[in-house]
Amino acid sequence: EDQVTQSPEALRLQEGESSSLNCSYTVSGLRGLFWYRQDPGKGPEFLFTLYSAGEEKEKERLKATLTKKESFLHITAPKPEDSATYLCAVRRLKYIFGTGTRLKVLA
Amino acid sequence: NAGVTQTPKFQVLKTGQSMTLQCAQDMNHNSMYWYRQDPGMGLRLIYYSASEGTTDKGEVPNGYNVSRLNKREFSLRLESAAPSQTSVYFCASSGGRETGELFFGEGSRLTVL
Repeated sequence: EDQVTQSPEALRLQEGESSSLNCSYTVSGLRGLFWYRQDPGKGPEFLFTLYSAGEEKEKERLKATLTKKESFLHITAPKPEDSATYLCAVRRLKYIFGTGTRLKVLA
Repeated sequence: NAGVTQTPKFQVLKTGQSMTLQCAQDMNHNSMYWYRQDPGMGLRLIYYSASEGTTDKGEVPNGYNVSRLNKREFSLRLESAAPSQTSVYFCASSGGRETGELFFGEGSRLTVL
């Protein structure tokens, strides 16, 4: 069965304290792994798409990486404005979402 | 650019009432989706439309109907609302099979009493 698991469920960081969020997946015929950011009361906002193992993408303080079984979202020197829920999704025929990691960055 | 627009943003219903959530996108996307988001459950697909004139069931279609009115608009109807349908509903669109990412609306928060 296709499945996406994100960890941790919640993460509190001090401003400047780098860390990583994990997205583990089991899906055959992967057609993309997606990272989204969701702010409270808003819809998810697209961050990255990764298609093959070894691929990496960066945007400001965020860097996403992909292996055959998992993806990491690395956050370098986070700021309070990075506080949000980060969602991971995989696509085969349809999109399958994880339950997200709630990130809180304290000033 | 408005992107994906959903209405209403908030709605309170009584059990058994009906309502329609409206969604429109201005990005000329072929595919449109309806998801529900519940605490601890992630986003779950209700229905989707791969192209104008087609609709298919997703993971949790029971109690819902959809209409792809034209390429821009995709509506979700609750015929007889139940408390289990209390949720936040998101409409999304994508450019097609090879483009990938989903573009989401702001969400519609529905409470069924």
